[in-house]
Amino acid sequence: DVKVTQSSRYLVKRTGEKVFLECVQDMDHENMFWYRQDPGLGLRLIYFSYDVKMKEKGDIPEGYSVSREKKERFSLILESASTNQTSMYLCASSVISGSVGTDTQYFGPGTRLTVL
Amino acid sequence: GQNIDQPTEMTATEGAIVQINCTYQTSGFNGLFWYQQHAGEAPTFLSYNVLDGLEEKGRFSSFLSRSKGYSYLLLKELQMKDSASYLCAAVPSGTYKYIFGTGTRLKVLA
Repeated sequence: DVKVTQSSRYLVKRTGEKVFLECVQDMDHENMFWYRQDPGLGLRLIYFSYDVKMKEKGDIPEGYSVSREKKERFSLILESASTNQTSMYLCASSVISGSVGTDTQYFGPGTRLTVL
Repeated sequence: GQNIDQPTEMTATEGAIVQINCTYQTSGFNGLFWYQQHAGEAPTFLSYNVLDGLEEKGRFSSFLSRSKGYSYLLLKELQMKDSASYLCAAVPSGTYKYIFGTGTRLKVLA
């Protein structure tokens, strides 16, 4: 079974703090993704990475950065947390096989972040 | 632009059949995924369609018409545990990035 884990289920931070969200997958997947999920907006892609040290911006990268130093770990960083970053954050991973875009993404349990 | 549309909410009765529709517009097309997400949990993979037609997996089936930009998820013999959100996601050509719909919240009533 594919396993994607995230460092925290719930997190409360203050405005201006630097926040690290960690994601680890155990299936040697090349691709890793960070999404945020908000009511009525669905899942929106923040960043993704297709290899170690490689990253690409998603649809809403502003206010976020990422780090991928090892294949199994993908970190999302909020440089200076703001209240509008209160959300559910979901990490996912997928293997690269065959045609681009045909690979199932497997999701972690999510981190519900509240910024006060 | 790229867009996915699905109904916000549906209600059905235990034991019944329900069909959740999804229409999409993408630049090219590499397939369509359906995920199930229970409240407070991660989305879990249900099905993937890339060719026209019906894919059946037990009580769940998914249909795709590429010419119409349309898919549906069919759930048979509904159970209370099927109460969840169902997410439709299309994949444009040449990318790993899914385009997600906002999800359909299904309530199954006894």
